[in-house]
Amino acid sequence: DTEVTQTPKHLVMGMTNKKSLKCEQHMGHRAMYWYKQKAKKPPELMFVYSYEKLSINESVPSRFSPECPNSSLLNLHLHALQPEDSALYLCASSRDIAGNSYEQYFGPGTRLTVT
Amino acid sequence: QQQVKQSPQSLIVQKGGISIINCAYENTAFDYFPWYQQFPGKGPALLIAIRPDVSEKKEGRFTISFNKSAKQFSLHIMDSQPGDSATYFCAARNQGGKLIFGQGTELSVKP
Repeated sequence: DTEVTQTPKHLVMGMTNKKSLKCEQHMGHRAMYWYKQKAKKPPELMFVYSYEKLSINESVPSRFSPECPNSSLLNLHLHALQPEDSALYLCASSRDIAGNSYEQYFGPGTRLTVT
Repeated sequence: QQQVKQSPQSLIVQKGGISIINCAYENTAFDYFPWYQQFPGKGPALLIAIRPDVSEKKEGRFTISFNKSAKQFSLHIMDSQPGDSATYFCAARNQGGKLIFGQGTELSVKP
């Protein structure tokens, strides 16, 4: 099973709201990722967690705050977003970020609209 | 050096035909090359992947051809079907573990 689940599927939020995106995997993977994808563009990496520690932050604005409560869960906390942050937010996981365990599996995404 | 260039941007193929998408890279330290298929409103799905010590990998109707000296790799979809209509992304993994994606190819297979 290579399933990564994400909730909610859709989210509409105002610029003053606080919301969270959730991601879960039960494949025993130790690396988890957040990506942002705009229409007709490739996914852009935002954050990488490895063994529950933040490994990569691609200079993402502080209005996006990731959290990895345990090895199966990944959250993305959103606060004071801008309309240009509207996008498909994708979670992915892989067995590891090093060695030969490269395959990244993506979830279905959360379609975020900021009004 | 960190770029992956993908072509064509869009492709129309008749049902039963062969779809070919090409990618080129500069960084010789890339060590893993996956292809993803994405349907509208869905997340990318890992389709097939190859490591640079292999020149070809086939899984069903999908084949990756890899030319290490030319720093190019391509996806061939044999007997293309309307259900294959999707956006395809090539990618390459750098030494830091980050996937560098191509810009995507929108494939349309006409019945």
